[in-house]
Amino acid sequence: GENVEQHPSTLSVQEGDSAVIKCTYSDSASNYFPWYKQELGKRPQLIIDIRSNVGEKKDQRIAVTLNKTAKHFSLHITETQPEDSAVYFCAASFYGGSQGNLIFGKGTKLSVKP
Amino acid sequence: DVKVTQSSRYLVKRTGEKVFLECVQDMDHENMFWYRQDPGLGLRLIYFSYDVKMKEKGDIPEGYSVSREKKERFSLILESASTNQTSMYLCASSVTGGRSPLHFGNGTRLTVT
Repeated sequence: GENVEQHPSTLSVQEGDSAVIKCTYSDSASNYFPWYKQELGKRPQLIIDIRSNVGEKKDQRIAVTLNKTAKHFSLHITETQPEDSAVYFCAASFYGGSQGNLIFGKGTKLSVKP
Repeated sequence: DVKVTQSSRYLVKRTGEKVFLECVQDMDHENMFWYRQDPGLGLRLIYFSYDVKMKEKGDIPEGYSVSREKKERFSLILESASTNQTSMYLCASSVTGGRSPLHFGNGTRLTVT
């Protein structure tokens, strides 16, 4: 079946460094790619998303890039802060059934050390 | 702001019991979803619904069923709970399936003993 691979599974950086999380998807029809942040004990929350007609999108310290040809997309966090510590999930749209849904990667646990 | 409310934060049930997990959203969204979250496995889709009384299987529907009698409410049913269904269950809603952000509830931590 269709899937989304996410790497790395854990990532530890020093405060102020950059962090990059990469995802690959298998369905060439995927056209929507959101990223979610889940803090400990809380619900996943959308932090940024990108559609297939755009190659890059930025929102302050967060950016997402998309390479449709290679079927991969990445999350970039610059100037990391301790409050960026969380689990991050990528997702890709999938239209295998009669209606679309999202398939998620397995998550990346980011730790930012002060 | 979209609000997705799950009726229970924690549940403890016995093996073989029938379990109902309830979810309500207040934004008139067409689509509602049930995911299961396990460490190292990410979020896996159990079932979703794109309209009242309409449903579609996700990746791991075995042992589960769903009900959507009203647009705002989506229920997940464990017909006969088993220990391997111990997990965090997340409900979500969205405007369109697969093309718009999901709004998640706080989750229900279910323990089956």
